[in-house]
Amino acid sequence: GQQLNQSPQSMFIQEGEDVSMNCTSSSIFNTWLWYKQEPGEGPVLLIALYKAGELTSNGRLTAQFGITRKDSFLNISASIPSDVGIYFCAGQNYGGSQGNLIFGKGTKLSVKP
Amino acid sequence: DSGVTQTPKHLITATGQRVTLRCSPRSGDLSVYWYQQSLDQGLQFLIQYYNGEERAKGNILERFSAQQFPDLHSELNLSSLELGDSALYFCASSVRGQANTGELFFGEGSRLTVL
Repeated sequence: GQQLNQSPQSMFIQEGEDVSMNCTSSSIFNTWLWYKQEPGEGPVLLIALYKAGELTSNGRLTAQFGITRKDSFLNISASIPSDVGIYFCAGQNYGGSQGNLIFGKGTKLSVKP
Repeated sequence: DSGVTQTPKHLITATGQRVTLRCSPRSGDLSVYWYQQSLDQGLQFLIQYYNGEERAKGNILERFSAQQFPDLHSELNLSSLELGDSALYFCASSVRGQANTGELFFGEGSRLTVL
């Protein structure tokens, strides 16, 4: 079945640094999404991308839908301690059910004050 | 607070037992989804219900079943439990009025430990 390769698996950065993580797939997706999960919580949607090449921002977060439709990246600028958590990419195809999101295995972000 | 409520938050049981996890979706959301999160497998889609009917099935074991009731709450039943069923089980609901956008609202999860 479809799989998403998310990298890096984990990151340890200093407060104020920029962060970049990405997700690749062997097959195309029509929608890419980025979720964040904090300890003891469920994933929360950060950004949704619906068109190839689309670049979308949400505060200090910027995500892009790759032009090949097989990849996406998420950037976080000027990281702060509350950015700590696990970031998941997810892909979806039309024709499949809405619930059948394919999730990456996550990038665990740690931020040192 | 996502508006999705899951109970119980924690559950410890023994192999061979059966448990029921409950989910109340956000007010007005018709779709409910169940996901399993384990350390090695990440987030795996189990099943989706829309307005009481099964809409899609993922990698759900035959020992697991779910249903959505007329008041839209959902239950996930796990039977003949095995050690490997220990995981976080998430319920999610979709945005009211939107279809196939992938935008899901997750509950806080039910942590199941099978001893």
